[in-house]
Amino acid sequence: EVQLVESGGGLVQPGGSLRLSCEASGFTFSSFWMHWVRQAPGKGLVWVSRINSYGGSTDYADSVKGRFTISRDNAKNTLYLQMNSLRGEDTAVYYCARETALTGSFFIDVWGKGTTVTVSS
Amino acid sequence: DIHMTQSPSTLSASIGDRVTITCRASQSITTWLAWYQQKPGGAPRLLIYKASTLQSGVPSRFSGSGSGTEFTLNISSLQPDDFATYYCQQYNSYLLTFGGGTKVEI
Repeated sequence: EVQLVESGGGLVQPGGSLRLSCEASGFTFSSFWMHWVRQAPGKGLVWVSRINSYGGSTDYADSVKGRFTISRDNAKNTLYLQMNSLRGEDTAVYYCARETALTGSFFIDVWGKGTTVTVSS
Repeated sequence: DIHMTQSPSTLSASIGDRVTITCRASQSITTWLAWYQQKPGGAPRLLIYKASTLQSGVPSRFSGSGSGTEFTLNISSLQPDDFATYYCQQYNSYLLTFGGGTKVEI
């Protein structure tokens, strides 16, 4: 069964840091581009970042550029999101997601259940 | 960035109703559009990609259409399991953007 399991969320003070992890199973992790998408309480989905299959190329939403870093360890089947200089507006459920293998397409076909990040003093 | 606008934001319907949700893009995205379903407290689930291709395992009462800047998601006969929030998402650009969502309620 294809599965993505996020961890690492929690309560952090403004200006603090947190590292999210996402463990993948049931598929060849090293063959897929991966994403982070977040959802603030009661709001819609917002794309955060993506990384290519071997970790050599990354992209970020303007709102997190320079503060967040996406990375991966293919030997451990794990995706990461290092979040620094956190702000109240970063409070959200963070979803780990897999990009489709269809050539030329970027849509997400598998989602994790999410991990909650709360930034508050 | 490509902006996605969904309408309506909330839709009240009954079991057996035909439901239509509209999604508009701020510029042409040809058919690079996906639809997702999200239930309260749950993760999104892919329903449709390339505007009209049904994801494996998704019931055939769901269908998608459109191209360019205007797209629709149809549910032919609403079932109890379909009460959820639906999001469109463009992938014409790697800077993925989502619509604001349409909540389908009883």
